[in-house]
Amino acid sequence: SYELTQPPSVSVSPGQTASITCSGDKLGNKYASWYQHQPGQSPVLVIYQDIKRPSGIPERFSGSNSGNTATLTISGTQAMDEADYYCQAWDSSTVVFGGGTKLTVL
Amino acid sequence: QVRLQESGPGLVKPSETLSLNCSVSGGSISRSGYYWGWIRQPPGKGLEWIGIMSYSGSTYYNPSLKSRVTISVDTSKNLVSLKLSSVTAADTAVYYCARHADGSGNYQDYWGQGTLVTVSS
Repeated sequence: SYELTQPPSVSVSPGQTASITCSGDKLGNKYASWYQHQPGQSPVLVIYQDIKRPSGIPERFSGSNSGNTATLTISGTQAMDEADYYCQAWDSSTVVFGGGTKLTVL
Repeated sequence: QVRLQESGPGLVKPSETLSLNCSVSGGSISRSGYYWGWIRQPPGKGLEWIGIMSYSGSTYYNPSLKSRVTISVDTSKNLVSLKLSSVTAADTAVYYCARHADGSGNYQDYWGQGTLVTVSS
């Protein structure tokens, strides 16, 4: 079965740029999506189709996908961005999630 | 604005069947281009996809759960349902209903608030 691999944790200082990676075999040939999940809330879609932002998502969130790696970049990271982030792809008629990355803003 | 609301028992006994409903408002589940499905998150773990169904009846399930899962839609009630049979403690999780966009990587653009289901005697 297809697997997506994320680092368990990423730390960033406020105002700096955070990058969260998601690796999978030939992931660049598929669409990658990203979700922000804060404690006690529902996941929120922040990037879809590799690079698109849904309405209402701040411009500081951006995405890329090439080769075997998709990347979520948060520019000018704010304390409110502290959350778990999950990547997701569609493979062999199934939705696959990465294991999640805990972003700490400190 | 599409809204999804899960409902169902918060406690299920081992070996029984977990049954949840998801009421959709603000849009018809019969609209083409979308699937409707379920995702769960066990305590302290990541997101796990369960499966999806379109209004026309096409279904896709997580292979690891396929033998125990049934997802159905009732277009007359704008309702999506989940049944998971022979549950164990490992099925304890927050269960989310979510709309999936077809043909675009099946990303989930709308989620319910989630409902905690505990499997315990």
